[in-house]
Amino acid sequence: GAVVSQHPSRVICKSGTSVKIECRSLDFQATTMFWYRQFPKQSLMLMATSNEGSKATYEQGVEKDKFLINHASLTLSTLTVTSAHPEDSSFYICSARQGSSVQETQYFGPGTRLLVL
Amino acid sequence: KQEVTQIPAALSVPEGENLVLNCSFTDSAIYNLQWFRQDPGKGLTSLLLIQSSQREQTSGRLNASLDKSSGRSTLYIAASQPGDSATYLCAVTGNQFYFGTGTSLTVIP
Repeated sequence: GAVVSQHPSRVICKSGTSVKIECRSLDFQATTMFWYRQFPKQSLMLMATSNEGSKATYEQGVEKDKFLINHASLTLSTLTVTSAHPEDSSFYICSARQGSSVQETQYFGPGTRLLVL
Repeated sequence: KQEVTQIPAALSVPEGENLVLNCSFTDSAIYNLQWFRQDPGKGLTSLLLIQSSQREQTSGRLNASLDKSSGRSTLYIAASQPGDSATYLCAVTGNQFYFGTGTSLTVIP
C-alpha cells in the first residue's frame, strides 16, 4: 500500500521559534496533500489543502502567515509553524492523495507531535 | 457543513464481548466512509473503507455498515481483545475529509 512519512515524529521547541514538518509520499506521486491538527482528546481538524505548484487553501480560522505550507514537489509538502507559541502544541498529521478527485483514497502519515515550551 | 458524530465517546468492555461503535453524519452526499484506528500518540491506521454505493465491508473481526440515506454507519467488533483498545475514528469524504469525534475503546482483560 501507499506510504506517507513525516519528519520529525516529535519536536520540542522554545516559544518564538519556527518549526518545519515534512510530509513525504514514498511510493507514489501526490498531487494533493492535506494538513490536519489534533488537540488532545479531540478529532482531527483540516488545516489546509495543498496542490503541487500552487498556493495552499486554508480552512477558516487557520492563519496562513503562521502556518506556511509549501508543496514543492509531487512527493514533498512542508508545514512551517512560524513563531510558535505554547497554544500551537498539538499533533500534526498530513495525508496525501495521488489525484485531484475527492473520491480518491487519502493516505495518512504517522503524525508529528509538537510541544512548544 | 458536514458534521460527523460518534457515540459513545468512550466505551469499556470485558475481553471477548462483541461491540458496536456508531457514527452519524449530517450530509448524505458522501463518496465514501472510512473507519480508522488511532493508538495513543500515534497516527491513523485505516481499518475499512465503504464506498457510497456499498452497504458493508468486512475485515477479520471487523464489520462496518453504511446507511447513507439515514446518515449512519456502525463498526462491529467481534470477540474483542485487549489489543483492540484504541480510539476509533470514522471519516466521510464529501468536498473534503470530515472526521468524527472518536470513540475511545478499552477492552479489559
